[in-house]
Amino acid sequence: QPVLTQSSSASASLGSSVKLTCTLSSGHSSNIIAWHQQQPGKAPRYLMKLESSGTYNKGSGVPDRFSGSSSGADRYLTISNLQSEDEADFYCETWDSNTQVFGGGTKLTVL
Amino acid sequence: EVQLVESGGALVQPGGSLRLSCAASGFTFSNYWMHWVRQAPGKGLEWVSRINSDGSSTTYADSVKGRFTISRDNAKNTLYLQMNSLRAEDTAVYYCAGILSRVTEYWGQGTLVPVSS
Repeated sequence: QPVLTQSSSASASLGSSVKLTCTLSSGHSSNIIAWHQQQPGKAPRYLMKLESSGTYNKGSGVPDRFSGSSSGADRYLTISNLQSEDEADFYCETWDSNTQVFGGGTKLTVL
Repeated sequence: EVQLVESGGALVQPGGSLRLSCAASGFTFSNYWMHWVRQAPGKGLEWVSRINSDGSSTTYADSVKGRFTISRDNAKNTLYLQMNSLRAEDTAVYYCAGILSRVTEYWGQGTLVPVSS
């Protein structure tokens, strides 16, 4: 089954940009993934679906500041013009015929 | 507006049983695969179980296989999770979630299940 690898933490300054990475394990580099945001004390929220081509489809109400891109087995979430409310945990997700798989999550701190 | 509302979370003793429900509205429930995801205190998201749109196919994480059963009633727009032989390590917030095109698109607000004597 696929494995998703994420850095445990990231930080960036208010108003700047940050790029989070999710890496698919060998043999699964063509998988579609999703990015989810979980603000402190809240349920996760779907941000976008991201294909290996780099095409992405965002969920309803997701700000334009959020975008996705891909390179090989890597899937990226870029957040521009960081706001304080962007401080959250970010998870990537993929699937196979037997399971859904989540990455370990990246904790984003807005300085 | 899409809503997934979980219920049934409660304090349960080790070895006990509990049934979670998830009421869906605002989308065509019968078209969606559904799953349960849990989050232990201070930890990341852990996939628990998945069911296809008509309920004919189910899969489980190894950690719950043989103890948990996922099911659905499309006439009632409701998803269920029957949890038996509960252990302390099952303590978590349990989220109901809807899958479209292979990944989660909808999330519920979660229900807490503490397992403790």
